[in-house]
Amino acid sequence: AQSVTQLGSHVSVSEGALVLLRCNYSSSVPPYLFWYVQYPNQGLQLLLKYTTGATLVKGINGFEAEFKKSETSFHLTKPSAHMSDAAEYFCAVTPFSGGYNKLIFGAGTRLAVHP
Amino acid sequence: DAGITQSPRHKVTETGTPVTLRCHQTENHRYMYWYRQDPGHGLRLIHYSYGVKDTDKGEVSDGYSVSRSKTEDFLLTLESATSSQTSVYFCAISVGGLAAETQYFGPGTRLLVL
Repeated sequence: AQSVTQLGSHVSVSEGALVLLRCNYSSSVPPYLFWYVQYPNQGLQLLLKYTTGATLVKGINGFEAEFKKSETSFHLTKPSAHMSDAAEYFCAVTPFSGGYNKLIFGAGTRLAVHP
Repeated sequence: DAGITQSPRHKVTETGTPVTLRCHQTENHRYMYWYRQDPGHGLRLIHYSYGVKDTDKGEVSDGYSVSRSKTEDFLLTLESATSSQTSVYFCAISVGGLAAETQYFGPGTRLLVL
C-alpha cells in the first residue's frame, strides 16, 4: 500500500532562512506528487505538483520541489522564509489508476517562522 | 477558488444524533471527495463519488454514508454521531484531464460531537 512520510511534524526557521520540508513516499508505480499548504482555519491550497517531465517543479509563493525517483523523495524548499509562510504543509501522492486519483496524505509538517 | 462551498462551517452536536454535511460545487465536476482531518493523520478519505448516484468507500468509511443526487451536491451523513467523529471535514473535487487530475478543497466544516 502506498504511504507518505513527512519527516518532522514541526519545523522552525528564522525569517530569511532556507525552508526544507521533507517528504518520502512508497509507491509501486510511478506516482503523481503534490504539496498543499493550509493556513489557520482554512482549507488546503495547492502549492505545486509533479506529474511527468522536469523533476524540479516550481510552485506558488516561491516554493519548489524536486522529484527524486531513486530516493523516493519529493522535498519542498524555499530559499528565504517569510513570516507569511507559517502554516501547515502536506505532501500527497497518487498512483494514476485511471478514472480518479486517490490521494494519500502525509501527516503534515507545521512550519513556524520567527523574526 | 474551485467554487466549492461547505455547510455548515461549524456544528456542535450530541452523541447519537444524525448529522448531515453538505458540499456544493458550481462547476459541474464529476469527481467529489470527503475527507476528515485529524492531528497526526493528515487527511484521510471517507467516501468519494464519480458521478450522480455513483459512490464508493474510502479509507475510513465506517459510520458514514454519502449521497449524490445532483452533480453539484455531495452529502456526508453521520448516522449516529460519536465522539470519535469530532474532526474537521473537507470536501474536494478533481479538476483536469485523466492524466493529471488535481484535487481542490473546500473551506472545511468543524464538527464537535459531545
